[in-house]
Formats: sequence, structure tokens, C-alpha cells
Amino acid sequence: AQKITQTQPGMFVQEKEAVTLDCTYDTSDPSYGLFWYKQPSSGEMIFLIYQGSYDQQNATEGRYSLNFQKARKSANLVISASQLGDSAMYFCAMREPRMDSSYKLIFGSGTRLLVRP
Amino acid sequence: DVKVTQSSRYLVKRTGEKVFLECVQDMDHENMFWYRQDPGLGLRLIYFSYDVKMKEKGDIPEGYSVSREKKERFSLILESASTNQTSMYLCASSLSGQAKINYGYTFGSGTRLTVV
Repeated sequence: AQKITQTQPGMFVQEKEAVTLDCTYDTSDPSYGLFWYKQPSSGEMIFLIYQGSYDQQNATEGRYSLNFQKARKSANLVISASQLGDSAMYFCAMREPRMDSSYKLIFGSGTRLLVRP
Repeated sequence: DVKVTQSSRYLVKRTGEKVFLECVQDMDHENMFWYRQDPGLGLRLIYFSYDVKMKEKGDIPEGYSVSREKKERFSLILESASTNQTSMYLCASSLSGQAKINYGYTFGSGTRLTVV
């Protein structure tokens, strides 16, 4: 069965520093996709970044980058130059493929990040 | 600009009540999902639907049912609410098709349900 593991329940980072949030996954399917979402205290889920299993380069979106190590089955999120507004819950998720071209996501347990001023 | 709307932000219900959580999307998405979110457990899939009147069980369907009579609306039903169903409920939608798979889901704002 496919599985996503986030081993850091909570983390602190100093404002303007970089931080890495860990995510490991388990799948036997060669085609998969990995996502990171941010959930502020308001509750909405905000899509941050996507990495496909066949993508040759690590995904980047502004201050977010994904450190994709396929052989290790890890997809860590790196946030550069942390801001106070980055304080939130972060979820790693993996696309579970289906035959009918729909798909569903399975999520990790999340990491709560707190940015200190 | 709001694309997925959940009818209630906060809800308090009594044990044994029948509870309806409504979700509407305006993006013409084929797929819709209901998750519940609990501390330390992340998001767990309750039910999903990939077409009108079609539904599939997720990982934790017990005690829940769903209805999708129209493409834009997906309802989660707690047949007889219990205190262990106190949780945050998140609705999401997505497009089918390989071309759109990197867009992920669009989520609603969530409904925090308390069963007393």
C-alpha cells in the first residue's frame, strides 16, 4: 500500500533562515506525483509545489523547492528565507494512480512550522 | 474567486443526530472528495466521487455516507453522529485527465464539527 511519512511533528526556524521539512514515501508504482500543501491557522489548504516521478529536475516555486531523491524515496520541502507568514501546518501528499484517469491523494500526518522573529 | 464552498465553518450537533455537510464547486471538476483531519493523523479520505451519482469508499467510510446528484455538489452525511466524529472536515475537488494531474486538489475552507 502507498504511504507518506512525515517524521517531524513540529519545527522552529528563525526568520530569514532556510528550513527543510522531511517527507518519505512508499510506492511500487513507477508513475506517481508528490505534492506539498500549506495550511495556515485559518484552515484552508494551499497548494505549494508538485514533483512528478519522471521529472528530471527538482521542482521550484519562488521560495519553495522540492529536494527529490528518487532512490531514497524522499521529497523534502525546502523553504528559503523564512517569513513570519510561513508559520503553518505543512502536508506532503502523493497521488495514487487509478485506471480511469481520476486520482486521489494520500497525505502524511503533517509538520507544524513556527517561524521565530 | 472562491471555487470550493463548504456550507458551514463551525457546526455543533448532538449525539444521534443526522448531519449533512455540503460542498459546492464552481470549476466543473469531475472528482470530489471528503477528508477528515485530526491532529497527528493528517488527512484521511472518507469518500470520493469521480462522476455524478458515482462514489467510492475511502479509508475510513464507516459511519458516513455521501450523495452526488449534481456535478457541482457533494454531500457528506453522518447517519447518526457520534462524539468520535468530532473533527475538521475538508472537501476538495479536482480535474480528471493526465494533463491536469499536477494541479492537485482545490480545497474548501473546512467545517469544524463538534458532536456533543
